Amino acid sequence: NAGVTQTPKFRVLKTGQSMTLLCAQDMNHEYMYWYRQDPGMGLRLIHYSVGEGTTAKGEVPDGYNVSRLKKQNFLLGLESAAPSQTSVYFCASSTPRSSGRAGEQFFGPGTRLTVL
Amino acid sequence: GEDVEQSLFLSVREGDSSVINCTYTDSSSTYLYWYKQEPGAGLQLLTYIFSNMDMKQDQRLTVLLNKKDKHLSLRIADTQTGDSAIYFCAESLKTSGGYQKVTFGIGTKLQVIP
Repeated sequence: NAGVTQTPKFRVLKTGQSMTLLCAQDMNHEYMYWYRQDPGMGLRLIHYSVGEGTTAKGEVPDGYNVSRLKKQNFLLGLESAAPSQTSVYFCASSTPRSSGRAGEQFFGPGTRLTVL
Repeated sequence: GEDVEQSLFLSVREGDSSVINCTYTDSSSTYLYWYKQEPGAGLQLLTYIFSNMDMKQDQRLTVLLNKKDKHLSLRIADTQTGDSAIYFCAESLKTSGGYQKVTFGIGTKLQVIP
């Protein structure tokens, strides 16, 4: 099992450019998430998905779009990158919390994005 | 509302015990987690505790939960240099829509001095 993988690992963009971050998981998890991590801010949820074909806004969704066309993939798009989107982006996946299952999240290694 | 608070930094000597503290505000939390993040890596689950438990021990790790004070702690016995990392406390809440929302603390950076 590869777990949760993210591509690319690093990227530098110019203001106004667009890009897509790809997250893939091979654990058959229903839930997937995109977070950003900034110094002194901890982890902030951008968007999440509770199943294939569904997405929802998190805490800081502005400037980002997502899609979950396949259960194993969750894409994060930046249509017009801004310097404020310079951050480390983490994808995570989990199963729903239920009897006997803690619903812990499994994280990818992160994507370091710099917007100039 | 929900909020998770942690101190930012802790420094200990190798071989000593480390205690990382966390407070949370939502009494309906049912699971509380501790994650570890090493430099340049994603978060990795260390342990978790269900809200009907007061303590959980797993090898060098001891988690204590005080529901009355909404206080969670992680004790690492015989701290090693490999334990140097950022530790995140997190709580899991079930929303009205059935989705389980996880709120993370800001993270405590543990520095282990040889």
